[in-house]
Amino acid sequence: QVQLQESGPGLVKPSETLSLTCAVSGYSIGSGYFWGWVRQSPGKGLEWMGSIHHGGSLHHNPSLQSRVTISRDTSKNVFYLKMTSVTAADTAVYYCVTDEGQWNINNWGQGTLVTVSS
Amino acid sequence: DVVMTQSPLSLPVTLGQSASISCRSSQSLVHSDGNTYLNWYQQRPGQSPRRLMYKVSNRDSGVPDRFRGSGSGIDFTLEISRVEAEDVGVYYCMQGTHGPGTFGQGTKVEIK
Repeated sequence: QVQLQESGPGLVKPSETLSLTCAVSGYSIGSGYFWGWVRQSPGKGLEWMGSIHHGGSLHHNPSLQSRVTISRDTSKNVFYLKMTSVTAADTAVYYCVTDEGQWNINNWGQGTLVTVSS
Repeated sequence: DVVMTQSPLSLPVTLGQSASISCRSSQSLVHSDGNTYLNWYQQRPGQSPRRLMYKVSNRDSGVPDRFRGSGSGIDFTLEISRVEAEDVGVYYCMQGTHGPGTFGQGTKVEIK
């Protein structure tokens, strides 16, 4: 059973960069699946942000333009989310997820609340 | 992006009765490979979402057969028969046919 655990700062200042880590256990991120991020905010509901394929290719939601970077470290079996120039609108619970392809999200981490505030 | 519209947004249900949630997409969800990538997720209070159904009508492991997904094209339905207290939560549809994947706004199921 794949388990996902998000970690990172719970408070980020406006205009700064949000950085989160997803630690994966029970499966090697280089073996299969897409590994992605979904956020949930009261204002925008659930929003798919992007993912990284087990082969390394990247996929981002165009709505987030170039602010989002997803990367990984297969030696540590973790993947990362970075989002630049955050505003209050980026306040949300951020989930790391596994995706079987075609946005078929089959597994979610417990989520981590990130608040953007000075 | 494909817009997913759920109704109703709030659904009070009597224990033991049935509930039906509708999800409509702004365009057909039939993929060129012939599949329809429409999933349903349940989010219980204080928990992460959990997938219930994939490709319209395939139940995930451990999901009671009281849950049934149906539909085609742009109209989809999640039906819950004999609602139990553990079914309380918010239900989301999500399409993955047209990138990026998009979610409905959610339907809150509560017990009357």
